[in-house]
Amino acid sequence: ETGVTQSPTHLIKTRGQQVTLRCSSQSGHNTVSWYQQALGQGPQFIFQYYREEENGRGNFPPRFSGLQFPNYSSELNVNALELDDSALYLCASSRAVLSYNEQFFGPGTRLTVL
Amino acid sequence: DQQVKQNSPSLSVQEGRISILNCDYTNSMFDYFLWYKKYPAEGPTFLISISSIKDKNEDGRFTVFLNKSAKHLSLHIVPSQPGDSAVYFCAADLSNSGGSNYKLTFGKGTLLTVNP
Repeated sequence: ETGVTQSPTHLIKTRGQQVTLRCSSQSGHNTVSWYQQALGQGPQFIFQYYREEENGRGNFPPRFSGLQFPNYSSELNVNALELDDSALYLCASSRAVLSYNEQFFGPGTRLTVL
Repeated sequence: DQQVKQNSPSLSVQEGRISILNCDYTNSMFDYFLWYKKYPAEGPTFLISISSIKDKNEDGRFTVFLNKSAKHLSLHIVPSQPGDSAVYFCAADLSNSGGSNYKLTFGKGTLLTVNP
């Protein structure tokens, strides 16, 4: 087991640019969930991917999109960046219908939009 | 509209004493509740959970209490240790046919500091 990893660790972009964040799932996990944690807030659910298909979405606009690959790693893409997109982006991997103590979060990517 | 609320941004307790962290929710459809612990530069780590059909769940020093009628849950840590110092998030989920849904709604977190 290698754990959940995310890259890059930190990223600085300017308004209007596009960004891609990456997440490598825990070995054997087929579900990835992405969260946005703004400063002073709790993580907010963006969307979830299960076996390469989107499986639920939170209250985020379409410029937030994602992908899950056959090896279950995942990408989060954000287009037309806005200042409010500055946040810590967390991914969490799990296997469907298992207990919560088997869902693991990565350390996050800190995105700053100037 | 915050569906999960942690009204205390911070809590400070002495080592060996009890820490009580509180959480309120507004969505009566939530049927699973969780507590996560987060250290700086790390992702949240699952601590303990409780199903809505129970009112208490215990795991070592950690106990979660659920009061459905009040839409309130609390996490008790006894005894508190300096290593427990972290941000604690309360989260809620809607189960998917009895299985975990993993689409969590989090509170803002409470920073717990345990003083030696």
